[in-house]
Amino acid sequence: EAAVTQSPRSKVAVTGGKVTLSCHQTNNHDYMYWYRQDTGHGLRLIHYSYVADSTEKGDIPDGYKASRPSQENFSLILELASLSQTAVYFCASSLTFYEQYFGPGTRLTVL
Amino acid sequence: QEKVQQSPESLIVPEGAMSSLNCTFSNSASQSIWWYQQHPGKGPEALISIFSNGNKKEGRLTVYLNRASLHVSLHIRDSQPSDSAVYLCAVDSNYQLIWGSGTKLIIKP
Repeated sequence: EAAVTQSPRSKVAVTGGKVTLSCHQTNNHDYMYWYRQDTGHGLRLIHYSYVADSTEKGDIPDGYKASRPSQENFSLILELASLSQTAVYFCASSLTFYEQYFGPGTRLTVL
Repeated sequence: QEKVQQSPESLIVPEGAMSSLNCTFSNSASQSIWWYQQHPGKGPEALISIFSNGNKKEGRLTVYLNRASLHVSLHIRDSQPSDSAVYLCAVDSNYQLIWGSGTKLIIKP
């Protein structure tokens, strides 16, 4: 059964609206990540966390906030969604930084 | 900032043949290089990793790492239609993975 789940699987949002993407893992991993994937850009790290109640900025944090209320849950929040944030978003978890286990992704379209 | 480049962007290989994918990186001090496989509509899945110069074989997969030339390659022997996917190269840099943009592999029956 899927160890990293994401919700929603797809979302259409309006420019300036608030969007929350959720991630839940049953791997008992300490590390969790949020990436975005755009055609031709590979995966880019937005935020990550290595312990509950603490989050760290990745390479492209501007316009995004993250929340880790428990070991199992990690959310990505777009307070004011913009057209440039249209992308596929992946959550992942890991025991170490390197072998990461990904969720199925959320396709976000901002209109 | 570490840079990771993959080639080719796409590759069509006949079923049963060898598939060869390439990845170059910019920091010879990177401790590990990972290959992930991503099927359409799914998240990436770790396939194989290499930490030391040389090669590593797992089943039909072989990875070659040459730190002097900052190059790593993935070879898939006896390629099958189920191997059709995007293959992502990821290199560790300051305790995070830096990702290439991927090679789309199509295996033609």
